[in-house]
Amino acid sequence: GDSVTQTEGLVTLTKGLPVMLNCTYQTTYSPFLFWYVQHLNEAPKLLLKSSTDNKRTEHQGFYATLHKSSSSFHLQKSSVQLSDSALYFCALSARGSALGRLHFGAGTQLIVIP
Amino acid sequence: GPKVLQIPSHQIIDMGQMVTLNCDPVSNHLYFYWYKQILGQQMEFLVNFYNGKVMEKSKLFKDQFSVERPDGSYFTLKIQPTALEDSAVYFCASSLNPGGIAEQFFGPGTRLTVL
Repeated sequence: GDSVTQTEGLVTLTKGLPVMLNCTYQTTYSPFLFWYVQHLNEAPKLLLKSSTDNKRTEHQGFYATLHKSSSSFHLQKSSVQLSDSALYFCALSARGSALGRLHFGAGTQLIVIP
Repeated sequence: GPKVLQIPSHQIIDMGQMVTLNCDPVSNHLYFYWYKQILGQQMEFLVNFYNGKVMEKSKLFKDQFSVERPDGSYFTLKIQPTALEDSAVYFCASSLNPGGIAEQFFGPGTRLTVL
């Protein structure tokens, strides 16, 4: 079945450094990939999405490229800020679902320190 | 931006009782979802709902679960009777369009504790 893997449970970085959060997926259908960010006690919010192979998508300084050849959609930022501290979820919606049920990874907690 | 509200934020009940979780979706959205997240685990899909009907449900959506949205009011998840394993955070989501690349807007979750 469809699944998403996020390998890092916790990432701690100093402000100003680059970050990459890993996301790989499995599906036999055409994939739609999402990154959601959840700050403490808030709702998960969409950060990025893509269904186009090898095209970089960007928002709020974060970027990701869907690579269907490696089934990956890693999230990157060149310089993290204190406000980026949050929980990041990668999610997959596959074409086999009519209404788009999302399959989530386990999430990566990003902590940015001064 | 558009917001999904969930009421209550926390609920503690005794095993065997009934509980109703309420979701106020984005006003013009037509597609609704519930997800369940047990502490320390990933968020998992329960059910989606459109035009008064359940369209898809997962194996987590047990017979004790039901959903409805009477007359365009709250989208509700009812559990009757509750079991210890129902303790989790339940997230509601809504979307304007179905599937594919359409964005699902999430609420902040209801933390349900079954004693």
